Amino acid sequence: AQSVSQHNHHVILSEAASLELGCNYSYGGTVNLFWYVQYPGQHLQLLLKYFSGDPLVKGIKGFEAEFIKSKFSFNLRKPSVQWSDTAEYFCAVKVDTGRRALTFGSGTRLQVQP
Amino acid sequence: DTAVSQTPKYLVTQMGNDKSIKCEQNLGHDTMYWYKQDSKKFLKIMFSYNNKELIINETVPNRFSPKSPDKAHLNLHINSLELGDSAVYFCASSQRGAGMNTEAFFGQGTRLTVV
Repeated sequence: AQSVSQHNHHVILSEAASLELGCNYSYGGTVNLFWYVQYPGQHLQLLLKYFSGDPLVKGIKGFEAEFIKSKFSFNLRKPSVQWSDTAEYFCAVKVDTGRRALTFGSGTRLQVQP
Repeated sequence: DTAVSQTPKYLVTQMGNDKSIKCEQNLGHDTMYWYKQDSKKFLKIMFSYNNKELIINETVPNRFSPKSPDKAHLNLHINSLELGDSAVYFCASSQRGAGMNTEAFFGQGTRLTVV
């Protein structure tokens, strides 16, 4: 079965710092990849997604992610974080076999200090 | 208009009770899901319905029973609630959910606390 690993469980940054959150998945076939964000007390919102094509995808709020197939990675980046980016970030994968529901990573809590 | 709405948002109940959580989506999607988020924020699929047909039924206690009266609704009924059922339950929907290249939209979650 596929799995998703997010290596950073808790990240603390100052405003204007650059962000990179790691995400690795374990599946050798076709994948859809997602990053979701959960602000405190709120629902999951889609930040960005990769289905096919350009491996560098841009999402909302200045976030981007790069799909590197050879590394089974889909890291999330933002050049300059803001206090309002404080949230929980989830990487998720959907694969082309089996039940095709989203498999989520364990999440990364990002805390941005003003 | 809220795309995926769940009620109630908060639910506090005693052990042994039976409770339901309702979910409705107005996106015209054909697939709906229930996910459970535990105290460590880990999200796991519980059930999925496609056009009112159950297509995913993960290993959850049979005290949990989903019901889909139509494509736009997926309710979750829980019998004999236990302390370990305390979690946040998220409903989600997607179009052609059993296929690739679709994204899921999530509701705001229902925080269930069993005391």
